[in-house]
Amino acid sequence: AQSVTQLGSHVSVSEGALVLLRCNYSSSVPPYLFWYVQYPNQGLQLLLKYTSAATLVKGINGFEAEFKKSETSFHLTKPSAHMSDAAEYFCAVSEAAGGTSYGKLTFGQGTILTVHP
Amino acid sequence: DVKVTQSSRYLVKRTGEKVFLECVQDMDHENMFWYRQDPGLGLRLIYFSYDVKMKEKGDIPEGYSVSREKKERFSLILESASTNQTSMYLCASTRRGVGNQPQHFGDGTRLSIL
Repeated sequence: AQSVTQLGSHVSVSEGALVLLRCNYSSSVPPYLFWYVQYPNQGLQLLLKYTSAATLVKGINGFEAEFKKSETSFHLTKPSAHMSDAAEYFCAVSEAAGGTSYGKLTFGQGTILTVHP
Repeated sequence: DVKVTQSSRYLVKRTGEKVFLECVQDMDHENMFWYRQDPGLGLRLIYFSYDVKMKEKGDIPEGYSVSREKKERFSLILESASTNQTSMYLCASTRRGVGNQPQHFGDGTRLSIL
């Protein structure tokens, strides 16, 4: 079974500082990985996805993530935080990478990012 | 643009009531999902459907049922609502594939059971 662990339920940074949100996964097959963002009272919005092409994936709003197979990690980063980045972030792994899939995802428990002025 | 629409943003119901949550997608996606979201627990899958009239239990199906009579619509039913079903409910859809398709989410329904 696949699983996702997000280290740190809350992360706080100052505006302009580096954002680093950690995600580790467990999968018996090469994974497909996703990062989503959720703003207050909204659904989840896709930030970026890893689908076995480049290991460094660029997403929307200046975010990027690097797939590291040896560390089973897919950490999300942004060089300079903005107040509008305050939200909850979810990492997810696909149920059946490389095979027939119903599109099921396993989500981490989420990390709330707070940005201080 | 991709659109998943949930019928209500906020809903208040009483214990014992039968509650219907509706979700419609306009992307001709085969797969649709219902999740509940609770603080500190992330998203937990209740049910999903991979075709019309087809459904599969997720991780927490107890107390819920679903209906998919048309491809674009997926309904979640709380047969007899209880206070522990107070939560945020999210609907999502995705295209059939090999697992590399992202899910697209609605804005959620915040359900309170009194």
